[in-house]
Amino acid sequence: DAKTTQPPSMDCAEGRAANLPCNHSTISGNEYVYWYRQIHSQGPQYIIHGLKNNETNEMASLIITEDRKSSTLILPHATLRDTAVYYCIGAKTSYDKVIFGPGTSLSVIP
Amino acid sequence: GAVVSQHPSRVICKSGTSVKIECRSLDFQATTMFWYRQFPKQSLMLMATSNEGSKATYEQGVEKDKFLINHASLTLSTLTVTSAHPEDSSFYICSARDVSSGNTIYFGEGSWLTVV
Repeated sequence: DAKTTQPPSMDCAEGRAANLPCNHSTISGNEYVYWYRQIHSQGPQYIIHGLKNNETNEMASLIITEDRKSSTLILPHATLRDTAVYYCIGAKTSYDKVIFGPGTSLSVIP
Repeated sequence: GAVVSQHPSRVICKSGTSVKIECRSLDFQATTMFWYRQFPKQSLMLMATSNEGSKATYEQGVEKDKFLINHASLTLSTLTVTSAHPEDSSFYICSARDVSSGNTIYFGEGSWLTVV
């Protein structure tokens, strides 16, 4: 799995867009970028994933740079319930194990 | 999204006893499941990869005789903590890979184990 680097913490005002960056400069061509989040004392929740095209779903948008060395998860209108630790992970779609880094602790502030 | 269920969500056991945690994929078949543990304010640490019909693959430093993993069917994996000690108290989380949805991995709700 590609090593990913994320800022340890971020703040975002409620109602504003939260932009969470992730560096994955060693990602290989067949590795996807996955984003998960973990709200306190719960199991991680899948958010979105992508290979090289930008992706959007009901939860978030994922913007991947053309060289695939970094990506940004965008929560368009952050709410207090989006306060969580967000994990960016590079993983193949084979039976690879998934390794978590420390993630980014996002605090949405009223 | 797909659902992965863990049971029990909380368990308290006495030192020296064994406790079993179940992980079920409710609406998909999972040939591969993963077990993690998480201590307070830390990230998830992968313990082992559970493969249906074969032996689990343990991460370095994880005692396979202490953390018994069984993946007897395509929808069920179990983790048994044997001869539990207070230092085994932790949040245990399983996940399962859904090959029908682009190999996305879904996580269970987690199980809090307290050994007294």
